[in-house]
Amino acid sequence: AQSVSQHNHHVILSEAASLELGCNYSYGGTVNLFWYVQYPGQHLQLLLKYFSGDPLVKGIKGFEAEFIKSKFSFNLRKPSVQWSDTAEYFCAVNAGDMRFGAGTRLTVKP
Amino acid sequence: DVKVTQSSRYLVKRTGEKVFLECVQDMDHENMFWYRQDPGLGLRLIYFSYDVKMKEKGDIPEGYSVSREKKERFSLILESASTNQTSMYLCASSPVARGNEKLFFGSGTQLSVL
Repeated sequence: AQSVSQHNHHVILSEAASLELGCNYSYGGTVNLFWYVQYPGQHLQLLLKYFSGDPLVKGIKGFEAEFIKSKFSFNLRKPSVQWSDTAEYFCAVNAGDMRFGAGTRLTVKP
Repeated sequence: DVKVTQSSRYLVKRTGEKVFLECVQDMDHENMFWYRQDPGLGLRLIYFSYDVKMKEKGDIPEGYSVSREKKERFSLILESASTNQTSMYLCASSPVARGNEKLFFGSGTQLSVL
């Protein structure tokens, strides 16, 4: 089965700083890639997804992610974070069933 | 909107009890999943099902079983609850058999085993 690694457990940034959260997966075949976000006390929500085509995908709230096949990576980025981006972020890989990374908690200081 | 409903938001059980966690979705999705969410470990897949009466083990099936007698309902069973099963349990569903659709999550059941 596929596995997913997220490099950072907790990231603390000031507002307007740029964000990059790392995600690597291990699976030799075709995968579909996702980033989910969980705001405090809320459900997991889909931020963006990659199935095929342009490896740079744009999601909601100004987030984007780039699929680099040679590196088995799907890093999440945002050029300028806001206090409201404080949440936990999960990378997920679907190769028949959905596997999640351990999550990265993002704290944005106002 | 798709709705995934978990029967309880909070549950407190004693060690050794049999526990049923129920999940119902209203959009005729083929796939249903049970995850547990623990701090620092993310979401770990317990069991999933692609169809009625079908079930497949995820990463951590030990101590759990599942039942899918009807398409809309997927139950997680703890045969004999233990304290290390204290966790947030999340049910999810998706509309296609394999791969490329997002999951729709329920609001979760926080289970405490004393």
